[in-house]
Amino acid sequence: AQKITQTQPGMFVQEKEAVTLDCTYDTSDPSYGLFWYKQPSSGEMIFLIYQGSYDQQNATEGRYSLNFQKARKSANLVISASQLGDSAMYFCAMREEGGKLIFGQGTELSVKP
Amino acid sequence: EAQVTQNPRYLITVTGKKLTVTCSQNMNHEYMSWYRQDPGLGLRQIYYSMNVEVTDKGDVPEGYKVSRKEKRNFPLILESPSPNQTSLYFCASSHRLPPYEQYFGPGTRLTVT
Repeated sequence: AQKITQTQPGMFVQEKEAVTLDCTYDTSDPSYGLFWYKQPSSGEMIFLIYQGSYDQQNATEGRYSLNFQKARKSANLVISASQLGDSAMYFCAMREEGGKLIFGQGTELSVKP
Repeated sequence: EAQVTQNPRYLITVTGKKLTVTCSQNMNHEYMSWYRQDPGLGLRQIYYSMNVEVTDKGDVPEGYKVSRKEKRNFPLILESPSPNQTSLYFCASSHRLPPYEQYFGPGTRLTVT
């Protein structure tokens, strides 16, 4: 069963606009962590943001924020004021209690000038 | 400079010829992990290690071996590579405690003919 689901294979956004990338997850662990990573065309994996399952506040890192809705098991990434350099693949991931890490299939974001 | 190094970066080999991909980190991280990335499948965890001499299977461990004799090193061994192991491989490391930010290596592109 898919534990991390990213339903948007590809997304387009106009430069300077905000965009939301969807991620839903499934786990029975009470303690888990959720991540977003960016993979530009050059191939490296870049950590963006982390949300712990017990964190009360939504995580924010600069232009990135994680919209964490625990009851709905969703962890959407919001990028504000998109820039051309934001064009990349974005992966949602979940770390389970035992340390196993599961990634979604990714969303390819294209920012239009 | 804090980093995760992988060697080799590119490798073309033949079916059945044993190979090792090395991974080393200089951040004193307890957690290390190997992933493979295939088009349309995202990243899938092969093996992970929570500390020295502690390793666990990820989602796709078949055909791979790992060892963690030292904290800094986590080699990936393919005893008898097959063409279906042609992939892009990433090593990553992080601390055991939150936010578990994983630092990724640059990737190893393996082709098995």
